[in-house]
Amino acid sequence: AQTVTQSQPEMSVQEAETVTLSCTYDTSENNYYLFWYKQPPSRQMILVIRQEAYKQQNATENRFSVNFQKAAKSFSLKISDSQLGDTAMYFCAFMKSNAGNNRKLIWGLGTSLAVNP
Amino acid sequence: ETGVTQSPTHLIKTRGQQVTLRCSSQSGHNTVSWYQQALGQGPQFIFQYYREEENGRGNFPPRFSGLQFPNYSSELNVNALELDDSALYLCASRRSGSTNEKLFFGSGTQLSVL
Repeated sequence: AQTVTQSQPEMSVQEAETVTLSCTYDTSENNYYLFWYKQPPSRQMILVIRQEAYKQQNATENRFSVNFQKAAKSFSLKISDSQLGDTAMYFCAFMKSNAGNNRKLIWGLGTSLAVNP
Repeated sequence: ETGVTQSPTHLIKTRGQQVTLRCSSQSGHNTVSWYQQALGQGPQFIFQYYREEENGRGNFPPRFSGLQFPNYSSELNVNALELDDSALYLCASRRSGSTNEKLFFGSGTQLSVL
């Protein structure tokens, strides 16, 4: 069974600085997807960034980038130039890529990020 | 905004009652999945519907059931409510066959069981 571990329950960062959130996972699959989702107080899950396991290049989306280490089963999220609007819960999630239509996400417990002015 | 809407936003029930939660998926999305997010936890997969049939289920008892309608909207039904069913219930939709595996989530229904 797959598991996702986020070892940092809470983190804080000063506005405009850089912060890195950690995520490790366990799987015997070779093909899969990894995601970072943001959940602000509005409760809606918002996709931040997505990585396909077969791609060696780390995904980037504007101020958000990942450090994907497949052998180490590590998938950290770096937020550059942190903004107050980045304050939210951040969840790391895993999905098998060969699951047919049953594509369920397996989630970590989340990291609460506070961006301080 | 993702185009996925859930109703109601909040709900209070008592133990033993039944509840129905509703989800309207994003236009063009034919697959809907439901997740339960207990306080302080990550979401847990309940089940998924595609073409009006359940085609994947997590570790939830049969008193959790669902429906998907021809317009791809969906319902989650929970019978014989228990205190531990108190949680945020999230609905997510996607278009089956798409290559980007992107799920679009609603804002959830917060269910409190007293």
